[in-house]
Amino acid sequence: DTGVSQDPRHKITKRGQNVTFRCDPISEHNRLYWYRQTLGQGPEFLTYFQNEAQLEKSRLLSDRFSAERPKGSFSTLEIQRTEQGDSAMYLCASSLEFGTGPYEQYFGPGTRLTVT
Amino acid sequence: DQQVKQNSPSLSVQEGRISILNCDYTNSMFDYFLWYKKYPAEGPTFLISISSIKDKNEDGRFTVFLNKSAKHLSLHIVPSQPGDSAVYFCAQRSGAQKLVFGQGTRLTINP
Repeated sequence: DTGVSQDPRHKITKRGQNVTFRCDPISEHNRLYWYRQTLGQGPEFLTYFQNEAQLEKSRLLSDRFSAERPKGSFSTLEIQRTEQGDSAMYLCASSLEFGTGPYEQYFGPGTRLTVT
Repeated sequence: DQQVKQNSPSLSVQEGRISILNCDYTNSMFDYFLWYKKYPAEGPTFLISISSIKDKNEDGRFTVFLNKSAKHLSLHIVPSQPGDSAVYFCAQRSGAQKLVFGQGTRLTINP
């Protein structure tokens, strides 16, 4: 297994367009997370899935954002009617979690979105 | 409202010396703290964690100290190596499972 992969790595789009990002987690991992990172800040939580169920969404995730994880495998994050403020690095992470523990999250390389 | 703070945006250390990265937090209800390292154009990579019931955890050159009364933790790297140059993030994990990250500290190891 080569780790978490994300596609595309870079996306430039015009304001008002829709974009979709894909994340392929480590295959046996049951949890998948989306984070957003802007310059000079740490990653900020957006949402996470346990298998195919979306269990939590941040208030950062406006109604223009939607995420899915069909069949509990890969996940997609869609942003509709993009705004310049959506420009950021979008990070995906996965983990294998049950019970308690630190359960470190393994991150992909990210998708850098630029909205012009 | 920043729940996890890394007040030093950057740190420069000579190769072979000790690097100390600091992190402060406000929420005392947590299970673990995790430290991540990030190189340019890559995602964060897990380094080391510490449970809320411990005050120290060591793994090779990396040691994390937790001071719950001061709501402070630190990551010690000794000896520092050029490959340690990266951005370091501390992240708090509570029962909600998500990670709350600090802003990061850019560590530069000088030869």
